[in-house]
Amino acid sequence: QVALRESGPALVRPTETLTLTCTFSGFSLSTSGMCVIWIRQSPGKALEWLARIDWDDDKDYNTSLKTRLSISKDTSKNQVVLTMTNVDPADTGTYYCARVRPFGYEFDFWGLGTLVTVSS
Amino acid sequence: QSVLTQPPSVSGAPGQRVTISCTGSSSNIGADYDVHWYQFLPGTAPKRLISGNINRPSGVPDRFSGSKSGTSASLAITGLQAEDEAEYYCQSYDISLSGYVFGTGTKVTVL
Repeated sequence: QVALRESGPALVRPTETLTLTCTFSGFSLSTSGMCVIWIRQSPGKALEWLARIDWDDDKDYNTSLKTRLSISKDTSKNQVVLTMTNVDPADTGTYYCARVRPFGYEFDFWGLGTLVTVSS
Repeated sequence: QSVLTQPPSVSGAPGQRVTISCTGSSSNIGADYDVHWYQFLPGTAPKRLISGNINRPSGVPDRFSGSKSGTSASLAITGLQAEDEAEYYCQSYDISLSGYVFGTGTKVTVL
């Protein structure tokens, strides 16, 4: 069955780079139609999608954060990595990775999320 | 700031019916993009409840139902149970933003 798990630092200093890893099982990102997305929820704010990577290595970013984000995949390890540069306390929140339903616009399986705090 | 608007909270007694609205615009729900619903429970992975406006994925109880009309959608929970106390979010796609959009979220309280 499909499962995803996020990992990364719990605390990051302002201006540093945040690197998060999504390790998944139950599907392959080399299969046509498969995509993984990163979504976050900051305290008191709504959910916000960050970046998506597709089976063919196509990538898409939230335009409001595009200059700070990079997403990549390691198909052999079943991992997707998100990096966010120059973090700010406003980047504090829970970061989720999820699978995008193949050829769809919804997220059929999610990870538990990982809480990241940006503070000096 | 969210593109889709939901009521902050709804409540009901066990067994009652509650509905959660999700209001969008002509660039998302009104542009014929599907609406999906998720349940967020503390300590658990978010769960997809409704797919494609009205479809319940396997394993989702039939007390959950979805609908869509114009630029809005709704999630209904009939026969409310204590375990339904959670946060619920709608989600769609926005052609103007070229990205996924979420609702503001609704906290359901079982009285």
